[in-house]
Amino acid sequence: GAGVSQTPSNKVTEKGKYVELRCDPISGHTALYWYRQSLGQGPEFLIYFQGTGAADDSGLPNDRFFAVRPEGSVSTLKIQRTERGDSAMYLCASSPSRDTEAFFGQGTRLTVV
Amino acid sequence: QKEVEQDPGPLSVPEGAIVSLNCTYSNSAFQYFMWYRQYSRKGPELLMYTYSSGNKEDGRFTAQVDKSSKYISLFIRDSQPSDSATYLCAYTIQGAQKLVFGQGTRLTINP
Repeated sequence: GAGVSQTPSNKVTEKGKYVELRCDPISGHTALYWYRQSLGQGPEFLIYFQGTGAADDSGLPNDRFFAVRPEGSVSTLKIQRTERGDSAMYLCASSPSRDTEAFFGQGTRLTVV
Repeated sequence: QKEVEQDPGPLSVPEGAIVSLNCTYSNSAFQYFMWYRQYSRKGPELLMYTYSSGNKEDGRFTAQVDKSSKYISLFIRDSQPSDSATYLCAYTIQGAQKLVFGQGTRLTINP
């Protein structure tokens, strides 16, 4: 596809469950980002990958959150023991390289009940 | 003090009006400036990207950056109902890679 693809588009889970959110970046983009957006707020940075490695994970709120990008393309954001406060839109973005524009996917809306 | 301040609105204007959206920032290390448009329940869409003070124009959109005042603006000329969305300003520091976003301004263009 031409853009960043995120699946699923919506996810409802029960408190305490484990969830995985997938991001497929634009082909050839080496940089990949995860952001979280609460209702009425701007996106907040979670983690940045350059290639396969997490170059900056300073935005992950706690150790229940983890992300991987094993082959330098698709990335998965993993949330353990979900809490109601984790409910938000999770956005993925990619860019061709450092210091260039980031292009966002349509997001995964996570609801923890 | 937040790193980025953006009036959340809502802002409502008639079709055809000129719209002015603004953000201020406190971190003098910010070097790259962006405006994103976000429709309801969709991901942000990049509108403008710049790294220098001054104006940058793209069709009906003009981005203005004043680094000395730490102030950026987005102007929309001949506004259309399809421009109704939330507009997010964003900044980054060279080499830092993460974007810092404003809260977003919710804009409605009334036919």
